[in-house]
Amino acid sequence: QLQLQESGPGLVKPSETLSLTCTVSGGSIRSTTDYWGWIRQPPGKGLEWIGTVYYTGRTYYNPSLERRVTISVDPTKNQFSLNLSSVTAADTAVYYCADSGYDFGTIDYWGQGTLVTVSS
Amino acid sequence: SSELTQDPAVSVALGQTVRITCQGDSLSSYYASWYQQKPGQAPLLVIYDKGNRPSGIPDRFSGSSSGNTASLTITGAQAEDEADYYCNSRDSSGHYLIFGGGTKLTVL
Repeated sequence: QLQLQESGPGLVKPSETLSLTCTVSGGSIRSTTDYWGWIRQPPGKGLEWIGTVYYTGRTYYNPSLERRVTISVDPTKNQFSLNLSSVTAADTAVYYCADSGYDFGTIDYWGQGTLVTVSS
Repeated sequence: SSELTQDPAVSVALGQTVRITCQGDSLSSYYASWYQQKPGQAPLLVIYDKGNRPSGIPDRFSGSSSGNTASLTITGAQAEDEADYYCNSRDSSGHYLIFGGGTKLTVL
């Protein structure tokens, strides 16, 4: 069974870059049928799609975050990563990495999530 | 449109049937998926495509779609079904994902 695990700092200062990595186990990030994505959830609020990457490096970003987001894939480590620049307190959220294996629009597997707080 | 609309809260008596809806223009082109989220946990896929259930999801969960509205139905709601439920789909362009605002289900 596919498993996803987020890692990265839990505290980021305002104006800096938030960087998270998702390690995939039980499957290959080179899969031609899977899309790898990031979703976030501010405390007490709903889910927001950040973006998705295919193993070729093709990316799809939420237009509201596109200026600040970079998602990349590292097949040698079976990982994919999120960078979100110029963060503010509004970027404080639980960040989930996820897999869409059935269809681009369906998220089959989720990581457990990691809370990232933006604060000085 | 790039929005999916859900009722913020719904309640159901134990053992009764409840329907949670999701409205949006993109749903006339793409199926909705549905996720259950309990406090402190990651979301869990419960319905996708034409009402398919992933392995391990009880058959009391079903999904349907008509026009620009998708529905998640729980037939014989159990106490453990109390959770937040989110719908999502591609947006009308097909290149982005969008989520509904979530529905908090209370089982009375």
